[in-house]
Amino acid sequence: AQKITQTQPGMFVQEKEAVTLDCTYDTSDPSYGLFWYKQPSSGEMIFLIYQGSYDQQNATEGRYSLNFQKARKSANLVISASQLGDSAMYFCAMREHQTGANNLFFGTGTRLTVIP
Amino acid sequence: NAGVTQTPKFQVLKTGQSMTLQCAQDMNHNSMYWYRQDPGMGLRLIYYSASEGTTDKGEVPNGYNVSRLNKREFSLRLESAAPSQTSVYFCASSALGDYSNQPQHFGDGTRLSIL
Repeated sequence: AQKITQTQPGMFVQEKEAVTLDCTYDTSDPSYGLFWYKQPSSGEMIFLIYQGSYDQQNATEGRYSLNFQKARKSANLVISASQLGDSAMYFCAMREHQTGANNLFFGTGTRLTVIP
Repeated sequence: NAGVTQTPKFQVLKTGQSMTLQCAQDMNHNSMYWYRQDPGMGLRLIYYSASEGTTDKGEVPNGYNVSRLNKREFSLRLESAAPSQTSVYFCASSALGDYSNQPQHFGDGTRLSIL
């Protein structure tokens, strides 16, 4: 079974509007972390935001926020006031803490296109 | 700040050739990783090194070897390249942290084609 599922291969959003990118995860580990990365067309991976499984509040970083619904095992990324520079691939990833491996499991990504 | 530096950025090999991808980080991180990224499949872990002197297999280790040369450097070697290893390779590093909340920092990737 996939540990991370991103069901939206592509999304479009009008500039200055908000957009939600979906991510669901599968784990039996009670302690885990969820990460979102941005990959622009230039190819680098840029860390955006982190949510721990025991965090009481949803994470926020500037225009990025994470809608964390633990019971539903979802960790959707919300980008507010979209900008043209937000056009990129977005990856959701998870680290399971009990394995001790520190590695990330990635989803297949969502390509976001911001329309002027 | 340089962060994570990978060399080379591009490489074309013939089937059966060998090569080593180099990675160095200047953030004093303990953990380093090698991933490959294939179209439609996201990133998959090849090998990782939790700390200097240790290496472990990830999800797709077959056909690869790694060396954690020192705390800064972690290399990935293809002994006999195969077309199935055509991919974009990313090196990453991270600090240790309580409940592993430290993000991984990635290099810019190496685009490798095997003919």
